[in-house]
Amino acid sequence: GDSVTQMEGPVTLSEEAFLTINCTYTATGYPSLFWYVQYPGEGLQLLLKATKADDKGSNKGFEATYRKETTSFHLEKGSVQVSDSAVYFCALRSGGYQKVTFGTGTKLQVIP
Amino acid sequence: DAGVTQSPTHLIKTRGQQVTLRCSPISGHKSVSWYQQVLGQGPQFIFQYYEKEERGRGNFPDRFSARQFPNYSSELNVNALLLGDSALYLCASSLEGTHEQYFGPGTRLTVT
Repeated sequence: GDSVTQMEGPVTLSEEAFLTINCTYTATGYPSLFWYVQYPGEGLQLLLKATKADDKGSNKGFEATYRKETTSFHLEKGSVQVSDSAVYFCALRSGGYQKVTFGTGTKLQVIP
Repeated sequence: DAGVTQSPTHLIKTRGQQVTLRCSPISGHKSVSWYQQVLGQGPQFIFQYYEKEERGRGNFPDRFSARQFPNYSSELNVNALLLGDSALYLCASSLEGTHEQYFGPGTRLTVT
């Protein structure tokens, strides 16, 4: 079945540091890939998406590229801010319906 | 426009009891999905409904059931509650044919 593996946290960075959160997946067919973010006490928000190989999703300074050859979708940001502190989930959707398979989440803490 | 809404926000139940959770999708969204998020884990897919019909079901026991109403709102029912059912229950809505799911804030269920 489908699965998503992402690096374990927590990840602690200083403000303005470079961020990478690794994500790899296993899926049948050609899944769509997502990064969701969950701020403390809030629900999930879609951060970015990519629907086919070599697509790059981007939003709010975050980027991720759909790499079919390595089955990866790593999240990057050049300069993190304290406000980026949250839990980040890598996810995929495959098949004809809306089931999304999530990774276990990576907690990011950015310190001033 | 209002986002996905869920009620109640929190509730506490005793083992063996039954619970009903409610979700109202974004206006115009006909698809509703339910997820269970245990503390420290990623959300797990429970059900998807579209146009009042079940489109997909995750690996959950028959104690979990759901339905969708003509106005596209949805209810999730859980019977014979177990301690392990304690979790955040998330509802998501989407437009058919799109990749994005929009999540509500969730209902925090505690079983004692």
